[in-house]
Amino acid sequence: KAGVTQTPRYLIKTRGQQVTLSCSPISGHRSVSWYQQTPGQGLQFLFEYFSETQRNKGNFPGRFSGRQFSNSRSEMNVSTLELGDSALYLCASSLATRPGSGNEKLFFGSGTQLSVL
Amino acid sequence: AQTVTQSQPEMSVQEAETVTLSCTYDTSESDYYLFWYKQPPSRQMILVIRQEAYKQQNATENRFSVNFQKAAKSFSLKISDSQLGDAAMYFCAYRSAGGSQGNLIFGKGTKLSVKP
Repeated sequence: KAGVTQTPRYLIKTRGQQVTLSCSPISGHRSVSWYQQTPGQGLQFLFEYFSETQRNKGNFPGRFSGRQFSNSRSEMNVSTLELGDSALYLCASSLATRPGSGNEKLFFGSGTQLSVL
Repeated sequence: AQTVTQSQPEMSVQEAETVTLSCTYDTSESDYYLFWYKQPPSRQMILVIRQEAYKQQNATENRFSVNFQKAAKSFSLKISDSQLGDAAMYFCAYRSAGGSQGNLIFGKGTKLSVKP
């Protein structure tokens, strides 16, 4: 069974541009979450999607957005890029169907390393 | 709001020896889950071990075990018979029991080096 796939692996953008990152969850997983990882702030939760609906959102500005498609694949978009957006963006999927439904494991991808120049 | 603190930015252990990584957390909730994740250079986060707060028994997974002290809000990871492949960043994480599975609160991590 294929794991969580994130594309691209590396991305270089300049300030003011926008970027779209893609995540394909494990087959059968309908829940997808996104995290931002930086040396200074560590891992921070961005948002979570389930069945094409955003279920939870972290404390990030509106420049960060996401969506999920009917096949559970997810994209996140960052508009008007800033230098501080340089980070590793991790996606994770799980079998979870509802909050608190149990302790289903989160499976992570290898991330997209975004550099903003 | 819940917080997770890992006070050891870096740790080192000799191959075949035992090492303990520390984690403390702050929460007013009584029901929650705690996790240890490993992040090797490949960057993929891998679940090492999981503990349900309502279980008094400490979780174990082969060479990995935890010391869960609920009253002290402490959740340390013990790695026995350390192997070179254990070298990685280790993150402690918290999730509310009633919260969504994808919303974890992570500590800043501990970088573990294993000396041959």
